[in-house]
Amino acid sequence: AQSVTQPDIHITVSEGASLELRCNYSYGATPYLFWYVQSPGQGLQLLLKYFSGDTLVQGIKGFEAEFKRSQSSFNLRKPSVHWSDAAEYFCAVGAVNDMRFGAGTRLTVKP
Amino acid sequence: DGGITQSPKYLFRKEGQNVTLSCEQNLNHDAMYWYRQDPGQGLRLIYYSQIVNDFQKGDIAEGYSVSREKKESFPLTVTSAQKNPTAFYLCASSIARDTEAFFGQGTRLTVV
Repeated sequence: AQSVTQPDIHITVSEGASLELRCNYSYGATPYLFWYVQSPGQGLQLLLKYFSGDTLVQGIKGFEAEFKRSQSSFNLRKPSVHWSDAAEYFCAVGAVNDMRFGAGTRLTVKP
Repeated sequence: DGGITQSPKYLFRKEGQNVTLSCEQNLNHDAMYWYRQDPGQGLRLIYYSQIVNDFQKGDIAEGYSVSREKKESFPLTVTSAQKNPTAFYLCASSIARDTEAFFGQGTRLTVV
């Protein structure tokens, strides 16, 4: 079965700084890849997804992610973080009738 | 608007009581899921259903039960057998098991 690892439990960045959240997966083939965001006390919202094709995908709220097959990674990036980006971020992997979520990375934004 | 509705948002239960969490979707999705979320533990799958009248146990099904009598509805019952039921519960749906999931706003259950 596939698995997902988000190595960083908590990240703090200053407002306006760039952001990269890491996601690594384990699966024999190329899975479907997703990033979700969760504000406190809310459900998860899809930021972006990768199924095939261009390995750099654009999402909502100015986020992008790059699929790197050789590294089994799907890292989420944003060039300039806003205070409203403070939330929990989940990477997910879908493959062979299954979906697995990472443990999440909590993002704190400093003024 | 299409989406998933969970109710209630907050729920309090006395120890020893069963309680049912509601989840309704109007997205015409075949698959529906229940996740439990505890601080620092991400999402853990309780049950999922890929079609009406069929459902499968997830990773932490003990102490929970579900039904799927209608495509739109997937209620979760937290039974008295669940030893630590206080948590945030999320319902989701998708077209298929490995495609993007749409989530409800969650129900926070507290045992008092």
